Amino acid sequence: DVKVTQSSRYLVKRTGEKVFLECVQDMDHENMFWYRQDPGLGLRLIYFSYDVKMKEKGDIPEGYSVSREKKERFSLILESASTNQTSMYLCASSPGRFEKLFFGSGTQLSVL
Amino acid sequence: DAKTTQPTSMDCAEGRAANLPCNHSTISGNEYVYWYRQIHSQGPQYIIHGLKNNETNEMASLIITEDRKSSTLILPHATLRDTAVYYCIVNVQGQNFVFGPGTRLSALP
Repeated sequence: DVKVTQSSRYLVKRTGEKVFLECVQDMDHENMFWYRQDPGLGLRLIYFSYDVKMKEKGDIPEGYSVSREKKERFSLILESASTNQTSMYLCASSPGRFEKLFFGSGTQLSVL
Repeated sequence: DAKTTQPTSMDCAEGRAANLPCNHSTISGNEYVYWYRQIHSQGPQYIIHGLKNNETNEMASLIITEDRKSSTLILPHATLRDTAVYYCIVNVQGQNFVFGPGTRLSALP
């Protein structure tokens, strides 16, 4: 089974802090994705990557950046956390571009 | 505009088949029908997808009507662990998935 592991299940940070969310997949997938999920808004795509060191903006990239130095690892960075970035963050991987997605368990981030 | 319409919620009896409907009347010829589910506090889980033909795997069956304007996800023997939000998504391969509100399925003992 594909395993997508997110480093933290719950995270509490202060406004202005730099936040790193880490994601690792073990199935040699080319594509990795970061979504956020908010009540009433569904899942929204932040960034995705289809190869090492490659990245593309999703629908809501503002306030975020990403890093993909190794194929198995995709990091989401909040340069200066704000309260409106309080959300559930979900990482996913896929063998092809937007083929069936395999999600991690999510990181519930609270920015105070 | 939403590409799919699903009931907001459904109940099913444990041990019985759960049939989740989805309408996608504007589906185009190259769009697939995907189903995911999300159990509370977890990430979405891929279930199944299809283009024209009915599909079956170890989790579920997908029945697509001949005109492709609707489909049904069938969980053959629902258990309490199948309680989740089920998302029906139509998508061209290579494009981002748009997750709507889905159907909240409650499997009841």
